[in-house]
Amino acid sequence: AQSVTQPDIHITVSEGASLELRCNYSYGATPYLFWYVQSPGQGLQLLLKYFSGDTLVQGIKGFEAEFKRSQSSFNLRKPSVHWSDAAEYFCAVGASGTYKYIFGTGTRLKVLA
Amino acid sequence: DVKVTQSSRYLVKRTGEKVFLECVQDMDHENMFWYRQDPGLGLRLIYFSYDVKMKEKGDIPEGYSVSREKKERFSLILESASTNQTSMYLCASSLVSGGAQPQHFGDGTRLSIL
Repeated sequence: AQSVTQPDIHITVSEGASLELRCNYSYGATPYLFWYVQSPGQGLQLLLKYFSGDTLVQGIKGFEAEFKRSQSSFNLRKPSVHWSDAAEYFCAVGASGTYKYIFGTGTRLKVLA
Repeated sequence: DVKVTQSSRYLVKRTGEKVFLECVQDMDHENMFWYRQDPGLGLRLIYFSYDVKMKEKGDIPEGYSVSREKKERFSLILESASTNQTSMYLCASSLVSGGAQPQHFGDGTRLSIL
């Protein structure tokens, strides 16, 4: 069955520290992968997407993600976290020929000043 | 930039009422979606529409219906609201079919059923 797992429900980092949010997926075909961010009381904003090609993808707000097929992972990274990055982050998987995304359950990021 | 607008940010209704949630997108997108978001469960797809008057059930359609009379507008209807439908509802749109297209989300409607 298709699935997306975000193993960390909550993560706390200090401002200026590096960040890595984990995402593992289970999908038979080559997936299309997305990371979204949701600030409190807001909808989801697309951070970055991977379709094919270079496995390191750059997104907005200084985020990047690396697709590792052998590990079925698409982890989100940021070298230096800002207080405004505190939010909930969702990984999602789509596939060609289907409208349906599968979303992970999210990771809530807290940033300490 | 794509703009997806949900008519209400917060809504309080009573059990048994018929509730309408409205969503409008301004980028001529083919596809529109309604999700429900609950803590620990992520986003769950309620209904999807790929064209005017066309709709498909998602993962949790029970207790809901939808209407898409115009391309830019997609309405979610709770036929007889119940307390277990208290949740955050998110509308999204995407350009064309296929999982390669990113979905663009509105700000959500937080619905409370008393």
